[in-house]
Amino acid sequence: EPEVTQTPSHQVTQMGQEVILRCVPISNHLYFYWYRQILGQKVEFLVSFYNNEISEKSEIFDDQFSVERPDGSNFTLKIRSTKLEDSAMYFCASSERQKAFFGQGTRLTVV
Amino acid sequence: AQRVTQPEKLLSVFKGAPVELKCNYSYSGSPELFWYVQYSRQRLQLLLRHISRESIKGFTADLNKGETSFHLKKPFAQEEDSAMYYCALSDNYGQNFVFGPGTRLSVLP
Repeated sequence: EPEVTQTPSHQVTQMGQEVILRCVPISNHLYFYWYRQILGQKVEFLVSFYNNEISEKSEIFDDQFSVERPDGSNFTLKIRSTKLEDSAMYFCASSERQKAFFGQGTRLTVV
Repeated sequence: AQRVTQPEKLLSVFKGAPVELKCNYSYSGSPELFWYVQYSRQRLQLLLRHISRESIKGFTADLNKGETSFHLKKPFAQEEDSAMYYCALSDNYGQNFVFGPGTRLSVLP
């Protein structure tokens, strides 16, 4: 079965640095998402992306965050000037016909 | 506002016992409802969705629009069912999945 893949699996970064989390969605999917799960908390929606633009975003997704589909296959989440509270698992997902498939997640640790 | 609630953070049952994981939602239109499962150290996986009316791994869920509920049930729990279970909803276009807080199911031997 096709899978959504995310790299890296674990990223450690210093506070204030920029990070880019990468995702390769399933090839024929049209909708892409980023979610965040802080340790011990629920999965939170960050942003959805369709037709090369953001279709919806949550309050969490402020100017610190941006998404891009640079080459038609990758889907990236950039976090500028990371803060300690950005430490979390970040999940990418892609969907077709209301069935979303998730990547294995990237664990971001900000120190 | 869209919201999904799962009242139980942790549910422990013995192997072979019936299990019901509760989910309630609020949504202004007609949402699509899903259950996702996350086994230890694995990614979130779709377990089932209400439009398919399917049974996966012995689990079923019925959408009750009157009670705005989508409870997940299994008549005989197995140890391998131990996992985090998330109820979720999306709009008709499959965008903006909203997840509940999750229930950790622990099936005891």
